[in-house]
Amino acid sequence: DTGVSQNPRHKITKRGQNVTFRCDPISEHNRLYWYRQTLGQGPEFLTYFQNEAQLEKSRLLSDRFSAERPKGSFSTLEIQRTEQGDSAMYLCASSLALTGGNGYTFGSGTRLTVV
Amino acid sequence: GQSLEQPSEVTAVEGAIVQINCTYQTSGFYGLSWYQQHDGGAPTFLSYNGLDGLEETGRFSSFLSRSDSYGYLLLQELQMKDSSSYFCALNQAGTALIFGKGTTLS
Repeated sequence: DTGVSQNPRHKITKRGQNVTFRCDPISEHNRLYWYRQTLGQGPEFLTYFQNEAQLEKSRLLSDRFSAERPKGSFSTLEIQRTEQGDSAMYLCASSLALTGGNGYTFGSGTRLTVV
Repeated sequence: GQSLEQPSEVTAVEGAIVQINCTYQTSGFYGLSWYQQHDGGAPTFLSYNGLDGLEETGRFSSFLSRSDSYGYLLLQELQMKDSSSYFCALNQAGTALIFGKGTTLS
């Protein structure tokens, strides 16, 4: 297993367009998380899944954002009608449930630039 | 709600010891985690304190005091490669990690 994989690494899009990111977690991890990070800030929680169930969504996740994790494997995060304020690094992480001692494994992120 | 406070920047010299503090407000949590993130890279897990006291992992140690709502990360024998951002994060029941804004160590 090569860790958490995110694609694409970079995405430039025009305002108003839709974008979709993909995350492939560590295969034995049942939890998958999406975070957003802007320059000089810590990762901000967006949503997380346990297997295929989406258990929590942050208030940061407006109705333009949707995430899925079909079959409890990879996940996609879609942003519709992108705005300049959506420009950020989108990080995916995975873990086993009740894993405080082992931590999350993060992917290298997808950097979104909305022009 | 919950919040974490940590200094935005810390400066130290090679070979020295540096402590990065983290204070938090929360109604209940499992423990406090620490992550390192180099510029443009993925955050990587460093340490976790589920109980009060000191946890040591090589040159890095982390401490938690629940009564003081306070923790710290201690880095010893600093090396140039330790220049990075460090985040404390709350592990809470039924939800994901909540991160502080990070401390840049130069």
